[in-house]
Formats: sequence, structure tokens, C-alpha cells
Amino acid sequence: GAGVSQTPSNKVTEKGKYVELRCDPISGHTALYWYRQSLGQGPEFLIYFQGTGAADDSGLPNDRFFAVRPEGSVSTLKIQRTERGDSAVYLCASSPRTGEVYTFGSGTRLTVV
Amino acid sequence: KQEVTQIPAALSVPEGENLVLNCSFTDSAIYNLQWFRQDPGKGLTSLLLIQSSQREQTSGRLNASLDKSSGRSTLYIAASQPGDSATYLCAVKNSGGSNYKLTFGKGTLLTVNP
Repeated sequence: GAGVSQTPSNKVTEKGKYVELRCDPISGHTALYWYRQSLGQGPEFLIYFQGTGAADDSGLPNDRFFAVRPEGSVSTLKIQRTERGDSAVYLCASSPRTGEVYTFGSGTRLTVV
Repeated sequence: KQEVTQIPAALSVPEGENLVLNCSFTDSAIYNLQWFRQDPGKGLTSLLLIQSSQREQTSGRLNASLDKSSGRSTLYIAASQPGDSATYLCAVKNSGGSNYKLTFGKGTLLTVNP
């Protein structure tokens, strides 16, 4: 597609539930990134994929968070046993190759109640 | 660990005024620095990117400068307009093995009043 697409745009879930957030990068972009932006903060790095593999997952806050990119295109960020502190905007970005300029999606606003 | 600070946190100006947003970073070994704009409920739009070897970049009414040795960047907006109202984020990529990762400041919320 023309840009990075994230779905859903908004997600409200109950504490303890499982959620999946989807990112469709720009076609042909090999690098994909997830960031999390809490209220009043700048985005913080979560994980980076080069192709199908997670090249750097050092930003994932704990083992409740997991992300996949099985075919080197679409990525899914998965959060288990959600907590209220997980409420944030989750941003996805892609770039043609590692180190090149990103294009960000519009984000998924996750609210855990 | 790289840390990015933006001052002020919020700024309100009358239309037509020139203004400067400030960004500082603690580790001068950067690959590049980027200024983004974020509108409420939207993603990030890249405004200007300055490579570590450059001193400034210009786009229309926007001018960004970089002083790598002192760890500072400024974003200058000339003749501000109400449509410039948004949050402005500064982000750096470190040089070396992690040149794919952006470290962001918390942003400056700009309001331009008609």
C-alpha cells in the first residue's frame, strides 16, 4: 500500500485479556519497527524486524509482549494478560532497509479498563 | 544510554510570530537527528532530517540546525500559522550498531492562536 496501515485504530479491552495489534508495512520495506507512546511521552522503541526475524527485541517491557512477522511483511504485536499500564498508542513504522528513513503508521490506541 | 530532552514542553504564540523549539541529547555519537510533527490521534510526520555531518536543513518555513558537539538542535518556525499547532518531536539515531533505533524526546506542544 501507499503507507503503513495499522489496525485497529482503537482497541478497548478488559484487564487480563489478550490483544493483537496488526501492522501492514509499505510493500517492499524489509525493516519494520514497533514503538509505544504513553500519554505525555515520546515514542519508545519496542522491537525491530529485519525480514522475518526479530533483530532487536530489547525494548519489549516483559514476557507478556511478543511480536511476529512470519512472511516478512505484516507484523502482529501480541499482548497477553493486559494490564492498565499497557494503555498507550502503539506505533508501527517501516523502512526500505535497516537504517533508512522510517514511515510511521497512524497507530493503535489501546485502552485497558 | 541516549537521552533526549525538549524544551519547552508547551508553547503558545500568536499567529505570525517566529519561534524556536529546542532539543538536546546526551550522547553526541549520533547518526542523524529528525524532527517530527504529531497531530492529535495521528501518527508521526517527518519534517526534517539532519545527517550527523550536516549543520542545518530547511524546508519552507522550517529550519533545523544541529550542533553535534554540544548535543543540541533547534527547530525554527517562521511566520507561524494556526495550522502549525501540533506536537513537535525530536528524535536521534545513534551511530554504530543501533542506527535503526530512534530515541525520542517528550515533545513540545505548540499552539498558534489566530
